[in-house]
Amino acid sequence: NAGVTQTPKFQVLKTGQSMTLQCAQDMNHEYMSWYRQDPGMGLRLIHYSVGAGITDQGEVPNGYNVSRSTTEDFPLRLLSAAPSQTSVYFCASSYPSGQQFFGPGTRLTVL
Amino acid sequence: GENVEQHPSTLSVQEGDSAVIKCTYSDSASNYFPWYKQELGKGPQLIIDIRSNVGEKKDQRIAVTLNKTAKHFSLHITETQPEDSAVYFCAANSGGGADGLTFGKGTHLIIQP
Repeated sequence: NAGVTQTPKFQVLKTGQSMTLQCAQDMNHEYMSWYRQDPGMGLRLIHYSVGAGITDQGEVPNGYNVSRSTTEDFPLRLLSAAPSQTSVYFCASSYPSGQQFFGPGTRLTVL
Repeated sequence: GENVEQHPSTLSVQEGDSAVIKCTYSDSASNYFPWYKQELGKGPQLIIDIRSNVGEKKDQRIAVTLNKTAKHFSLHITETQPEDSAVYFCAANSGGGADGLTFGKGTHLIIQP
């Protein structure tokens, strides 16, 4: 099993550009989540999904969109990138009430 | 929503000594409390977790204790080794996994040789 995979590993954007961060898992987990990690802030939940076709907002959802068309994939879209979105983004997956497995992260810089 | 406080932010201990990291949470409905270790440039990895129906759990040199009354849980690492140096995060989840985790801000553990 590859576990949770994320692409790209690094990305530099200009303010106003859009992009999609990819996340995939091969463990057949129902739950998937996106977090951002900023220095001194820990990890904060952006969006999560409890199954295909079902998504909900976390603590810091503004500026991000998600969709869940399959169990395996949970992409995160930045509609119009801003410098405040410079961060490291982590995707995670789990069974209900189970251990969350994290991907290796995407380091995003918005200029 | 849930709020998790973690202390200290930095902890330096001599190799072989014990390390203790403490967290408090606010939502009495929280029922799952994992601890993650994050090494530089990597994603968080679960090292131990505890559920609200258990007071203590051990796994070799690592243990976690939970006091539901005080809404307090702690990570204990004994006989620390250089490879224990990392950032450790506590977390709490009041939704049984459905609505993600609320993390503490992390503790940078430094093991001095």
